[in-house]
Amino acid sequence: GEDVEQSLFLSVREGDSSVINCTYTDSSSTYLYWYKQEPGAGLQLLTYIFSNMDMKQDQRLTVLLNKKDKHLSLRIADTQTGDSAIYFCAERTWNSGNTPLVFGKGTRLSVIA
Amino acid sequence: KAGVTQTPRYLIKTRGQQVTLSCSPISGHRSVSWYQQTPGQGLQFLFEYFSETQRNKGNFPGRFSGRQFSNSRSEMNVSTLELGDSALYLCASSLTPSGGTAYEQYFGPGTRLTVT
Repeated sequence: GEDVEQSLFLSVREGDSSVINCTYTDSSSTYLYWYKQEPGAGLQLLTYIFSNMDMKQDQRLTVLLNKKDKHLSLRIADTQTGDSAIYFCAERTWNSGNTPLVFGKGTRLSVIA
Repeated sequence: KAGVTQTPRYLIKTRGQQVTLSCSPISGHRSVSWYQQTPGQGLQFLFEYFSETQRNKGNFPGRFSGRQFSNSRSEMNVSTLELGDSALYLCASSLTPSGGTAYEQYFGPGTRLTVT
């Protein structure tokens, strides 16, 4: 079955770039998502990419996909203290009908002022 | 446009009781999914409803059930509560069901259930 792996913790200084990594196992046509969860809140959809793309940029966020290695990364430029949260990578296989999102365990990003 | 709303936000129940959680999706969204979030297991998919029909179900015991109403609002029910059911229960809505492309899910703030 599908599996999504993430490192659990990342600490960066304010103003630096953060890079959060994720690996997945499904080799089918896939959508890959990044969600952000702040304390006491639900998940906020940040961005997503289809597996036929290599890169997607949205303001301070850059998603890179290496399909050969099944590796996904989220780069946050000019990281701010407000970016401190848990970031979840999620995968969905598209070509097999009704499939839910499969989430990684999340990476806790701590931004040091 | 209002986001996904979930009620109640916090709930304390005793073992053996049953509980009903409610979710109102974003206006116009017809797909509602439920997830259980715990520190140990992370986010696990419970079920998805679209147009009042259950389209998909995760690997949870039959004590977990749900339904969707004609206005797309959804409820989930857990009977005979166990200590391990303590979790954050998240509801997510989307315009299209999981069989469609993109499938952008928008999450509510969750209901924190504590079973004592």
